[in-house]
Amino acid sequence: GNSVTQMEGPVTLSEEAFLTINCTYTATGYPSLFWYVQYPGEGLQLLLKATKADDKGSNKGFEATYRKETTSFHLEKGSVQVSDSAVYFCALKPQGAQKLVFGQGTRLTINP
Amino acid sequence: DAGITQSPRHKVTETGTPVTLRCHQTENHRYMYWYRQDPGHGLRLIHYSYGVKDTDKGEVSDGYSVSRSKTEDFLLTLESATSSQTSVYFCAISGSYGEQFFGPGTRLTVL
Repeated sequence: GNSVTQMEGPVTLSEEAFLTINCTYTATGYPSLFWYVQYPGEGLQLLLKATKADDKGSNKGFEATYRKETTSFHLEKGSVQVSDSAVYFCALKPQGAQKLVFGQGTRLTINP
Repeated sequence: DAGITQSPRHKVTETGTPVTLRCHQTENHRYMYWYRQDPGHGLRLIHYSYGVKDTDKGEVSDGYSVSRSKTEDFLLTLESATSSQTSVYFCAISGSYGEQFFGPGTRLTVL
C-alpha cells in the first residue's frame, strides 16, 4: 500500500543551523509529494510540492527534491530561524487518487 | 489564502448531543475533505466529497455523517457526540495538482 515515514521528532536546533527532516515513501506508480507546515493553533499550510521525479520544490528557503531511486523527499533549509518552529508533515498523493497519505509529523523547535 | 472558512472555531458540548461543523469554500473546488487531528494519531480522514451529493467514507467515519448540498459547503455531523470525538477538526479542498488546502480548524470538546 501507500505510506509515508517521517523522521521522528522532536527535533531541536539552534538558530542558523542546517535543517534536514527525512521523509521516505512507499507508493506504486508516480505519486506527487508535498511538505506541509503547521504553526501552533493553525491549520496545515502547503510549504512546497513536487509532482514528478527529480523535481525540486522550494519555498521560504526550504527545499525538497523528489528522489524516485531512493523513494525520498527530504526537507532541507540552510539556516533556520526561531519562526520556523512548527510541526512539519510529509504527504503523498498516489497516482490517480484524490486522497493524501500523511506522515506522522515532525515537531521542530528552534532556539535563539 | 485558499478561501476556506470553518465554523464554529471552538465548541464545547455534552455527550449525546448532535453537533454540526460547517466548511465553506469560495474556490469552487470539486473535492472537499474532513479530517480530525489528535496527539499521537496525526491527521485521519473522516469523509470526503467529490461533488454535490457525492460523498465517501474515510478511515475513521464511524459516528460521523456528512452532507454537501452546494459546491461551497461541506457539513460534518456528529449525530450523538461522545468524549472520544473530542478533537480538532480540519476541512480541506483539493487543488489543481492534488495538493490540499486546509481551513483554520474547529476545536471540539465533548464533556
